[in-house]
Amino acid sequence: GPKVLQIPSHQIIDMGQMVTLNCDPVSNHLYFYWYKQILGQQMEFLVNFYNGKVMEKSKLFKDQFSVERPDGSYFTLKIQPTALEDSAVYFCASSLGRRAGNTLYFGEGSRLIVV
Amino acid sequence: QQQVRQSPQSLTVWEGETAILNCSYEDSTFNYFPWYQQFPGEGPALLISIRSVSDKKEDGRFTIFFNKREKKLSLHITDSQPGDSATYFCAASNSNYQLIWGSGTKLIIKP
Repeated sequence: GPKVLQIPSHQIIDMGQMVTLNCDPVSNHLYFYWYKQILGQQMEFLVNFYNGKVMEKSKLFKDQFSVERPDGSYFTLKIQPTALEDSAVYFCASSLGRRAGNTLYFGEGSRLIVV
Repeated sequence: QQQVRQSPQSLTVWEGETAILNCSYEDSTFNYFPWYQQFPGEGPALLISIRSVSDKKEDGRFTIFFNKREKKLSLHITDSQPGDSATYFCAASNSNYQLIWGSGTKLIIKP
């Protein structure tokens, strides 16, 4: 099936430093998402992105977070500066459309450890 | 209220038995309910979904039963296999199309 690629798979970073998580969504998809998951628990929505703009964001999408997809390259999540509570697995997802019934395709996640 | 609730938090059944995973919601505008399956170290993947106009959706060993009046649905996995061991997320989509996720049920199938 369609694949979403995430880079890196793991990253350990010192608190206060910047981290960029990269996502290569399914090629013809138009909507992109970031989710946060801690210890295999609930998938927590962070943000969705369409046509170069943030469409929706949750309270978890702090001011230190930003997303972009310059010129159709990687869809990135940047955290600057990082905090200990940012340690989690971050999942990127993409979908063709936004209407109910459009399947979200997820990557395998980027495990971020902030020390 | 936008919550989606799942129970139990974890479930262990023997191979060959039927596993029943429950989900309930509060917002009557929800009209699309996908179930996602997540294996350790992987991202969730769509398993099966149902729309609120239906009361049952079947795909092989996986069946969703939907009760609109009670705002409840359940995922039945018949003839459970060890390979079905995973975390199952119930989600719901409303008229704003945002997907609301439950907290997941961790299913363990014992051989």
